[in-house]
This record gives sequence, structure tokens and C-alpha cells, in this order.
Amino acid sequence: GENVEQHPSTLSVQEGDSAVIKCTYSDSASNYFPWYKQELGKRPQLIIDIRSNVGEKKDQRIAVTLNKTAKHFSLHITETQPEDSAVYFCAASKGRGGSNYKLTFGKGTLLTVNP
Amino acid sequence: DAGVTQSPTHLIKTRGQHVTLRCSPISGHKSVSWYQQVLGQGPQFIFQYYEKEERGRGNFPDRFSARQFPNYSSELNVNALLLGDSALYLCASSLAGGGGDEQYFGPGTRLTVT
Repeated sequence: GENVEQHPSTLSVQEGDSAVIKCTYSDSASNYFPWYKQELGKRPQLIIDIRSNVGEKKDQRIAVTLNKTAKHFSLHITETQPEDSAVYFCAASKGRGGSNYKLTFGKGTLLTVNP
Repeated sequence: DAGVTQSPTHLIKTRGQHVTLRCSPISGHKSVSWYQQVLGQGPQFIFQYYEKEERGRGNFPDRFSARQFPNYSSELNVNALLLGDSALYLCASSLAGGGGDEQYFGPGTRLTVT
């Protein structure tokens, strides 16, 4: 089955710096890659996603890139703010044609933005 | 516009007992997925239901079961609880559960087994 590896497990940056979180996946059939932000004691919140027909997607200070050949995708946060501090999870799933559209998650990255 | 709701928010059970967790998806969404999140880990897929039918099942024992009702709400049942079942149980809803459908999570049910 699908395996998603996520690095680093913890990341500490200064306010205003950029943060990059990287994930690799094993199943070449995966074609949907969402990112979730989970604050302590709260639900995972979808912040951005990318599909395999796209190489990059941006939404204000957040961007995601996808390299299908290398089977890795990354989350980029620019101009980080203290409220960006949270655990970030990457995930992967297969697209249409499969019978199981489950999300397979990485183990998470604890991002701390220091004021 | 209500998001995904789950009940109860917290639950304490004893080993060997049974538990039922409930989820109501976003209005208009027909698919519900259940995930288990152990502290410090990413969510692990348990079940997905679409139009009352099981579409997928993760690597969990038969003690775990679920169903979806005509109004698209769902129940997750766990029998013969073990200490290792202590976790946050998350429900996610999506339009049709198809690949590439965005999944939105509920607040979760924190289950503690003593």
C-alpha cells in the first residue's frame, strides 16, 4: 500500500522567515496531495492541495510543489507568523478508477514560529 | 453553514466495553470517512462510506465496524475495547469520496480506554 514519509519532524523558524516541509510517496498511482494544519486540540484543517496534473499551486503565503517523477511534494510557507505554529500533515490518495480513496498521511511536522 | 459534527467530544471507557461514535457530514456531502489519530501520529484510515455502502477499509481488526444512514450520517462502533484503542477518532466528509475530493474533518471524539 501507499507509504508517505514526511520531513522534518520538527521545524523552528523566526517570524518572517520561510518554512519548507517535504513529503515523499511510494505509490505512483497517487494523484491527489492535500496538506492539513492541526493546532493543538483541534481538527485537521485543509489548507491547500494539489493534483497530479499541476506542478505548483499558490494561495497567498502558502505554496505546494509536486514532482511526479521523483514522487515528492513540498509545502512552502513564506513570511511566517506566530499563528502559523501548528502540526502540518501531508497526505496522498489515488484518484478515480480506484475503489479506495483513503488519505494516507505522513507523521506530521511540528512548526514553531518564534516572534 | 454547519461543518462536520461529531459526538461525543470525549469518552472514557473500560477495557472490554463497547463504544459508538457518531458523525454528521457537511450538508450535501454523501461520503464519510473515519480515521484514528494516536498522539503524535498522522490520522490512520479506518473506513470510508458512500451512499450507505462501504467503499474502503483500513488495516483494523473486525472489532471495528461502521455504517452510514440514509441521511449520510455515520456511526463507528468498536467492540471489546483495548487500551491501545485510546485515540482521537476523526470523521471526514466529502462530496462523493472520489479521488481528489476534498475531505473536511470534524472536531473528533477523544476516546480514553482505562
